Amino acid sequence: DSGVTQTPKHLITATGQRVTLRCSPRSGDLSVYWYQQSLDQGLQFLIQYYNGEERAKGNILERFSAQQFPDLHSELNLSSLELGDSALYFCASSVTGSGGDTQYFGPGTRLTVL
Amino acid sequence: AQSVTQLGSHVSVSEGALVLLRCNYSSSVPPYLFWYVQYPNQGLQLLLKYTTGATLVKGINGFEAEFKKSETSFHLTKPSAHMSDAAEYFCAVRGDTGFQKLVFGTGTRLLVSP
Repeated sequence: DSGVTQTPKHLITATGQRVTLRCSPRSGDLSVYWYQQSLDQGLQFLIQYYNGEERAKGNILERFSAQQFPDLHSELNLSSLELGDSALYFCASSVTGSGGDTQYFGPGTRLTVL
Repeated sequence: AQSVTQLGSHVSVSEGALVLLRCNYSSSVPPYLFWYVQYPNQGLQLLLKYTTGATLVKGINGFEAEFKKSETSFHLTKPSAHMSDAAEYFCAVRGDTGFQKLVFGTGTRLLVSP
């Protein structure tokens, strides 16, 4: 158990819908990251927050947005869902968010778009 | 910019045999290097990481990796494979300046036969 929690574990929805994925970082970690894992794209970094502020952005679509709240939990919002958005979404957290900081991964949320 | 190449999407070994998973990286700045393992239906778990100092890094479960700057490699080894080592292994690189994203390789699935 990494100490990072993600809810829900599974999500099944239809195209065009909007969903919210939630992540609680390890106690004491200030930085949260979101990743997407799919068969065709592999593991892709989406976005990073540090203490409530966006710090780095990867291949995140405009239909996707995220935020980190004062209590440091984070939410990833996916809207206008398409079939290709079906993937495993991971949240990770680390202490400082930079350099050689170890990122601890949650168990993931499996999103299925029908 | 950083990138990672993992040679071999699948590696098969017999129980008790040497495990060698290859990783080559490209980085425009001094890199931090990581190996993560993913068991079926689980998140990623850190095996080991190289930040600075000793180039031979020891990790959990008997794994180790050697950072070779001249060869831009960070291969993962284990002297004797166990059935429980069967999983997917990901090499990742991150730059050492500021908030940089963690870039993953495409992964190598390790198969261990009795």
